[in-house]
Amino acid sequence: QVQLVESGGGLVKPGGSLRLSCAASGFTFSDYYMSWIRQAPGKGLEWVSYISSSSSYTNYADSVKGRFTISRDNAKNSLYLQMNSLRAEDTAVYYCARGFYVIDYWGQGTLVTVSS
Amino acid sequence: EIVLTQSPGTLSLSPGERATLSCRASQSVSSSYLAWYQQKPGQAPRLLIYGASSRATGIPDRFSGSGSGTDFTLTISRLEPEDFAVYYCQQYGSSPGLTFGGGTKVEIK
Repeated sequence: QVQLVESGGGLVKPGGSLRLSCAASGFTFSDYYMSWIRQAPGKGLEWVSYISSSSSYTNYADSVKGRFTISRDNAKNSLYLQMNSLRAEDTAVYYCARGFYVIDYWGQGTLVTVSS
Repeated sequence: EIVLTQSPGTLSLSPGERATLSCRASQSVSSSYLAWYQQKPGQAPRLLIYGASSRATGIPDRFSGSGSGTDFTLTISRLEPEDFAVYYCQQYGSSPGLTFGGGTKVEIK
């Protein structure tokens, strides 16, 4: 069965950096676009970024453009999100997700808290 | 950027009743790129409907989606206890990418 397991979340100070990882299993990872989607505490869903199956194409929400970088390693079945210049408003649960125009599988999420 | 507005914000119904959730887009959306998700507290969202009206794998037939252009609807024909949750619509466009509606909470009356 499809499994997406995020890691790397935690508490970071404003202006700091964090790298999230997502380990994928149960499907041919290299065949799929992948996305990161976040949810601030008590709020709705916000798309962050997606990456094409071969890494040739990436797209970012305006709110993170220039600060976050999505990448993947198909040999390791892994997806990453490098987050720099973090702000309080980046505090959220970050979900790793399969797909880009429709998300058919989601991980359980990892919490990122940006606070001094 | 296309904005999705969901209504009502909260729907209070009893088990067995019919739920009708609305998702209105600020511009026309391709039906191929309109989806609905269910999220329960402490859980990740789950895909219910894609392509505006196609049920995802394993989704019961009491869930149905309809609509086109700027107006889309998710209908739950008879609410089961496990259906009380928050529902989000989502669309995909080239810029900026995916957008989600603000959600509709279906709560027990």
